[in-house]
Amino acid sequence: GGIITQTPKFLIGQEGQKLTLKCQQNFNHDTMYWYRQDSGKGLRLIYYSITENDLQKGDLSEGYDASREKKSSFSLTVTSAQKNEMAVFLCASSISHFYAEQFFGPGTRLTVL
Amino acid sequence: GDSVTQTEGPVTVSESESLIINCTYSATSIAYPNLFWYVRYPGEGLQLLLKVITAGQKGSSRGFEATYNKETTSFHLQKASVQESDSAVYYCALGGGGSNAKLTFGKGTKLSVKS
Repeated sequence: GGIITQTPKFLIGQEGQKLTLKCQQNFNHDTMYWYRQDSGKGLRLIYYSITENDLQKGDLSEGYDASREKKSSFSLTVTSAQKNEMAVFLCASSISHFYAEQFFGPGTRLTVL
Repeated sequence: GDSVTQTEGPVTVSESESLIINCTYSATSIAYPNLFWYVRYPGEGLQLLLKVITAGQKGSSRGFEATYNKETTSFHLQKASVQESDSAVYYCALGGGGSNAKLTFGKGTKLSVKS
């Protein structure tokens, strides 16, 4: 077994601010993902990383940067927070990008004032 | 693109009643879709409930079942007798692995079970 931890659990920022969310996994999985969930909507993929130092854009990558410097960690940066970005951000991992089953972290709830 | 449509919630049922949450999918970019049901219980993270990777097969977990029907492009979630502890948000998801590693999720169905 393993676990995915996300920090912080709650993130409050100001409009225009640059904000960073962090994710760590101890599954030793190759592939990691960042999703965004808005109220009443499904999860939408922002970025994913097939392996260390790889980055792939998802459907919602504009306004975000990502970083995968170690196999176990994957960071997401909101480059300029906007009011309509109040959402929950979920990190996930899978054994590899050839294997579709993903395991999820508890999420970071972002509020922009 | 790929998409998933599921029963719009909220859904309320009484304990011991049967349940079906509908899920249909469109897999335009995936040759061999894998289908999943994820669940989020109150106060907990999203977790896998069941998965089926082969058309025609059935997956089951915690009394829930879902059959992967390629002809009708459906993957409905069913339970014969729900319990209060089944109250949660259920998400149907479509994935394919390979170069298309992402999961495509439905909007989620909030289930409340009354005692």
